[in-house]
Amino acid sequence: EIVLTQSPGTLSLSPGERATLSCRASQSFAGYLAWYQQKPGQAPRLVIHDTSNRATGIPARFSGSGSGTDFTLTISGLEPEDFAVYYCQQRTNWPRMYTFGQGTRLEIK
Amino acid sequence: EVQLLESGGGLVQPGGSLRLSCVGAGFTFSNYGMTWVRQAPGKGLEWVSAMSGSGGSTYYADSVKGRFTISRDNSNNTLFLHMNTLRAEDTALYYCAKDVGEKSGLTAFDVWGQGTMVTVSS
Repeated sequence: EIVLTQSPGTLSLSPGERATLSCRASQSFAGYLAWYQQKPGQAPRLVIHDTSNRATGIPARFSGSGSGTDFTLTISGLEPEDFAVYYCQQRTNWPRMYTFGQGTRLEIK
Repeated sequence: EVQLLESGGGLVQPGGSLRLSCVGAGFTFSNYGMTWVRQAPGKGLEWVSAMSGSGGSTYYADSVKGRFTISRDNSNNTLFLHMNTLRAEDTALYYCAKDVGEKSGLTAFDVWGQGTMVTVSS
């Protein structure tokens, strides 16, 4: 089973700054890395799928990158509505399984 | 508007059973894989089960294999999760979500319901 480890656990930044969130896998896998944003009391919202594709309606300040075991979500120019918990998620093909990271809390400094 | 609405949660004793439902609207339900994801109070997300659009392929997390069964009724745009032999650790908010792409193979999930709460306690 692939384990996803997100870092940092909490990231404190100010609006306008750049956020870099990391997701590291315990072993290499091919593609299918997604990022979700979750705000208190709300369902998760897909931000990035297939490593670097922005979901519908996601602003261009969100970008995803990476391969192998190391993946990154970057938010360029934080807006107040971006402060939330972010989860990465991967899909293993055989056996078919999905794993979420433990989350990174992005908070206002 | 694409929407998902879960129902069926509640309080159940350990060892009991429950059936969750998720009704989809605003999209061709049978063309999309669907999944269940749960979140224990104050905790992170945990994938539970997934099913292809046709219903021909099903997948389960090890933690629920043999106890939970996913199914769907495409004629009524409804996804189900049949939960048996429930344990205290199954207590969580259960979300259903749809695959990001039509027939894309269940890679990521772009529309989520608001969730239905399951509490397993005596």
